[in-house]
Amino acid sequence: DAKTTQPPSMDCAEGRAANLPCNHSTISGNEYVYWYRQIHSQGPQYIIHGLKNNETNEMASLIITEDRKSSTLILPHATLRDTAVYYCIVRVAGGPGYSTLTFGKGTMLLVSP
Amino acid sequence: DTGVSQDPRHKITKRGQNVTFRCDPISEHNRLYWYRQTLGQGPEFLTYFQNEAQLEKSRLLSDRFSAERPKGSFSTLEIQRTEQGDSAMYLCASSSRWTDTGELFFGEGSRLTVL
Repeated sequence: DAKTTQPPSMDCAEGRAANLPCNHSTISGNEYVYWYRQIHSQGPQYIIHGLKNNETNEMASLIITEDRKSSTLILPHATLRDTAVYYCIVRVAGGPGYSTLTFGKGTMLLVSP
Repeated sequence: DTGVSQDPRHKITKRGQNVTFRCDPISEHNRLYWYRQTLGQGPEFLTYFQNEAQLEKSRLLSDRFSAERPKGSFSTLEIQRTEQGDSAMYLCASSSRWTDTGELFFGEGSRLTVL
């Protein structure tokens, strides 16, 4: 079972920041937070991941709370092409669980003009 | 294109027939994964290879399913005696053990419809 909770859907206006929340209250010390997205009829695409520090790359920023029980993915200037299902996943960094990603249902983000 | 490729992209078959899907991972990747995705759900893990060794299998992978990666390069996923419940998107992904940040690279999937 997925260890994260996400809202089923969110809306965002084009050009505005999209802030996608994720709760992972049972996260373990050696688990990273990963975000993937899946545009309609395509395979999932990696966005970003982090352990406890905030992370930023060319696609997005990841803000993880100090207690690591929740995080927020930020798309700073959403475009229509960002319309997708966004998955928040916790994943062990090593050991037998290392190989798999467990997807939940994710958040359907709709970016409108 | 050097991404993960899957073939065929679409397959329609009658119940009881056998089907086979092929996945060609990114060439330098030694890890390969199969996932299944049904409508409205996130992808579900099926199995995982490191080189030619199948290291992990989900309980979802019933006896009718078999996956191989004979030379540690491409992989096949065969479904025998297909059932309507097998209708889904079958996704393949790959990653590198040596530079693994946990990022999996997914193909665009093979959509199976069982009539």
